[in-house]
Amino acid sequence: ETGVTQTPRHLVMGMTNKKSLKCEQHLGHNAMYWYKQSAKKPLELMFVYSLEERVENNSVPSRFSPECPNSSHLFLHLHTLQPEDSALYLCASSQESLAALNTGELFFGEGSRLTVL
Amino acid sequence: QQPVQSPQAVILREGEDAVINCSSSKALYSVHWYRQKHGEAPVFLMILLKGGEQKGHEKISASFNEKKQQSSLYLTASQLSYSGTYFCGTFQGATSGSARQLTFGSGTQLTVLP
Repeated sequence: ETGVTQTPRHLVMGMTNKKSLKCEQHLGHNAMYWYKQSAKKPLELMFVYSLEERVENNSVPSRFSPECPNSSHLFLHLHTLQPEDSALYLCASSQESLAALNTGELFFGEGSRLTVL
Repeated sequence: QQPVQSPQAVILREGEDAVINCSSSKALYSVHWYRQKHGEAPVFLMILLKGGEQKGHEKISASFNEKKQQSSLYLTASQLSYSGTYFCGTFQGATSGSARQLTFGSGTQLTVLP
C-alpha cells in the first residue's frame, strides 16, 4: 500500500450535493493536512490536524469542513460548493506538526480531482 | 506571503543544466523543495535550513542564502525523469499565527526533451 491514500480519485458533483473526500495514511505520522491545488496557482493550505490542535486557513469557506477521527484518517466534507471550488485536493501527512515543520517532510497522496458543475 | 519562483517554465535537452530560483520578501527559517510529475503526488526533494547550507542528491542540489531570502535548485546533466513541476515552500519559523505554515510558490514546469 502507498503511504497516503486518497479516495475518490475523481469526483463530479452539483452545487447542491453533499460529498466527502477521504484520506488515510499508513506511515504512523501525527499530523495530516488538506491542500487545494488549482491550475497555475500555488498549493494552498486549507487545514492541519496534529495531536495538539487543528489549524485552519481563515480564508477557507465554511462549505468545506474537515474531520479527523484519529491520527490515520482525515476527511473533507463538502456541501453547497461553487464551480470555482473545482480543483485537485491533496492530502498530506508528516511526522510532526507545523510548529516543528522546519525539519519534516510532507508525504502527499495523489489527490482527489473535484469538478463542481 | 507566497514565495516567487522563476522561471515559470523551462524546456531543455537531456544532459543540459537548469536552475530554478525561489525568493521571498520575508525572513526565512527554511526552504523546502518538491517535485510533482503529471498526475502524481508531489514528492519531497530536500529541506534547507537557514545558515546558507547547500544540499544535494545525485545531480540535484540546492542552496539557501538567508540574507537574500533566496534559494536555488540546480539540476545538472538533466535526465528525462526530471520532467515535472518543481515547487519551493518557505517557512518563516513562527510558532503561531498565519506565518506558522509552509507557503508554496506557483511552481516551475520543467520539460526535458530527448
